[in-house]
Amino acid sequence: GAGVSQSPRYKVAKRGQDVALRCDPISGHVSLFWYQQALGQGPEFLTYFQNEAQLDKSGLPSDRFFAERPEGSVSTLKIQRTQQEDSAVYLCASSLLDRVGNEQFFGPGTRLTVL
Amino acid sequence: GQNIDQPTEMTATEGAIVQINCTYQTSGFNGLFWYQQHAGEAPTFLSYNVLDGLEEKGRFSSFLSRSKGYSYLLLKELQMKDSASYLCAVRDHNNAGNMLTFGGGTRLMVKP
Repeated sequence: GAGVSQSPRYKVAKRGQDVALRCDPISGHVSLFWYQQALGQGPEFLTYFQNEAQLDKSGLPSDRFFAERPEGSVSTLKIQRTQQEDSAVYLCASSLLDRVGNEQFFGPGTRLTVL
Repeated sequence: GQNIDQPTEMTATEGAIVQINCTYQTSGFNGLFWYQQHAGEAPTFLSYNVLDGLEEKGRFSSFLSRSKGYSYLLLKELQMKDSASYLCAVRDHNNAGNMLTFGGGTRLMVKP
């Protein structure tokens, strides 16, 4: 079956522009995560959804970052007034249930470059 | 919070064995994962340990010692396609959901 998909794969934005990044998780997966990965670093947690509920947004770096999953499936990460430090790969991951040991399946990421 | 350390880079020869170490500090350990990530691609799941000991899966094995806060990933019979970054990630039951805290990754280069 299909894995996690993300779009766009690449996004170039001018500083100050708003962007929206989309994640389509694996069908039926309850949990959805967003991570930010800087070049040469490991992914860093941004936010977590269980179905449509955003249960943890402690990793969002500022109030310019906003995520939603209104119907418990597709999720959108929005970044307002982008800054150069927002340049990174944004990874989405989903897992079947919120249980110990359930692996997370990652999408290919969206590479955001802010000029 | 969690502190996860792993070497930044390693080099090994095709056909050899390599061990990638990971040390962690966490207050509510609830499992350790290893992921492989090729450049520009998604991380893919390799292994999961929650109890002490060795988990073997083909050419890859992962070991965990909870008392030492230590894990390693062992890759045998290295192939050129094993050149990638290897990410150690820890789950903490104090965190909502099963979010993972990742180390910085170990970039492995396999040479002929």
